[in-house]
Amino acid sequence: EPEVTQTPSHQVTQMGQEVILRCVPISNHLYFYWYRQILGQKVEFLVSFYNNEISEKSEIFDDQFSVERPDGSNFTLKIRSTKLEDSAMYFCASSARDPVRETQYFGPGTRLLVL
Amino acid sequence: AQKVTQAQTEISVVEKEDVTLDCVYETRDTTYYLFWYKQPPSGELVFLIRRNSFDEQNEISGRYSWNFQKSTSSFNFTITASQVVDSAVYFCALNILTGGGNKLTFGTGTQLKVEL
Repeated sequence: EPEVTQTPSHQVTQMGQEVILRCVPISNHLYFYWYRQILGQKVEFLVSFYNNEISEKSEIFDDQFSVERPDGSNFTLKIRSTKLEDSAMYFCASSARDPVRETQYFGPGTRLLVL
Repeated sequence: AQKVTQAQTEISVVEKEDVTLDCVYETRDTTYYLFWYKQPPSGELVFLIRRNSFDEQNEISGRYSWNFQKSTSSFNFTITASQVVDSAVYFCALNILTGGGNKLTFGTGTQLKVEL
């Protein structure tokens, strides 16, 4: 069964460093998302991406964040200068077509720890 | 703005007991979709069910069942004859049609612990 994959599974970085989280969405999906979950809290929407551009973003997704689909398979989230409060689990998700009617399938997550 | 409330932070049951996880949602939209996801200790989010606002028929899948009631804005999830493998955090989520509908709004989750 097709699934969303994410690398790395864990990342430790120093405050102020740049990190890139990578995702490979399900191959025939067209809509891509990033969510984050601070430890013990709920899952929060960061950004959605369709047709090579951001379609919606939350207030969390400030200028430190960017997303990119560099090729036909990968979808990346970059944090330019990490802060302590960026420590969280980051989930990538994808959906086939209509983002409302279609289910979003999540990857296993990347646990980011900023020291 | 939409909101999802899962008032039960943590529930503990003994194996084989039935357990119901509550979910109450708020939205002004008439068309919306509700979801349940399971997050086992390994951390991934596993899709369980999707239900649209026009389909109030309850659904059963094995030991899982869902009760959608628009009149009370609730979408509750029942596990029958719970098993230790059901131990996880369960999230209810909402997506609406208007405003792009690109994001899921999650509740705070219910931690279910099933003990022997």
